[in-house]
Amino acid sequence: QSVLTQPPSVSAAPGQKVTIACSGSSPNIGNNYVSWYQQFPGTAPKLLIYDIDKRPSGIPDRFSGSKSGTSATLGITGLQTGDEADYYCGTWDSSLSAYVFGTGTKVTVL
Amino acid sequence: EVQLVESGGGLVEPGGSLRLSCAASEFTFSRYSMHWVRQAPGKGLEWVSYISGSSSYIYYIDSVKGRFTISRDNAKNSVFLQMNSLRAEDTAVYYCARARGATSIDYWGQGTLVTVSS
Repeated sequence: QSVLTQPPSVSAAPGQKVTIACSGSSPNIGNNYVSWYQQFPGTAPKLLIYDIDKRPSGIPDRFSGSKSGTSATLGITGLQTGDEADYYCGTWDSSLSAYVFGTGTKVTVL
Repeated sequence: EVQLVESGGGLVEPGGSLRLSCAASEFTFSRYSMHWVRQAPGKGLEWVSYISGSSSYIYYIDSVKGRFTISRDNAKNSVFLQMNSLRAEDTAVYYCARARGATSIDYWGQGTLVTVSS
């Protein structure tokens, strides 16, 4: 049972924008930085966003992150067919002394 | 480029044991904490265990406490996961991953499949 909740799926047409919410609580999102991961079927996850809103080298600025209180959001603008993947939020939970992942969201490009 | 290569997965009967290994290269291994993360077939990511660079701090998810042991050998640039008393619900792809601070994981291995079945 994940402590971070995400919508199971989101979809939009090419070129449009989608946002994925990640809902947590004080010991995790409320008091820690959040990261986002992208995973294509059959492959390892890839870091997309770290420290709430920072992008590793090579990640386009179409991907953005934000946080408010105990929730975080990943935004994808200019949606492309190559963005179809599963997306997970993650952070450290200070109460559990454990790293926690969100339930995951499948992005579909219509 | 950072490389993480897992090995040791396979088919094991319930109650059996396996030892996963992860060989790291192209970074100063001892300076980084490491994670093991698993993903059951068709399911989401589940964090399993964490070990700090000096092995001073070790954490586990509740479901594996007392059964799994994480360790590392900084001289050999390797991290391990000893898995005992395996259960069907431990069936998953296990990823070795490098920690970036406390809240991020910046590099992942390709994963190794562990199947627990009779």
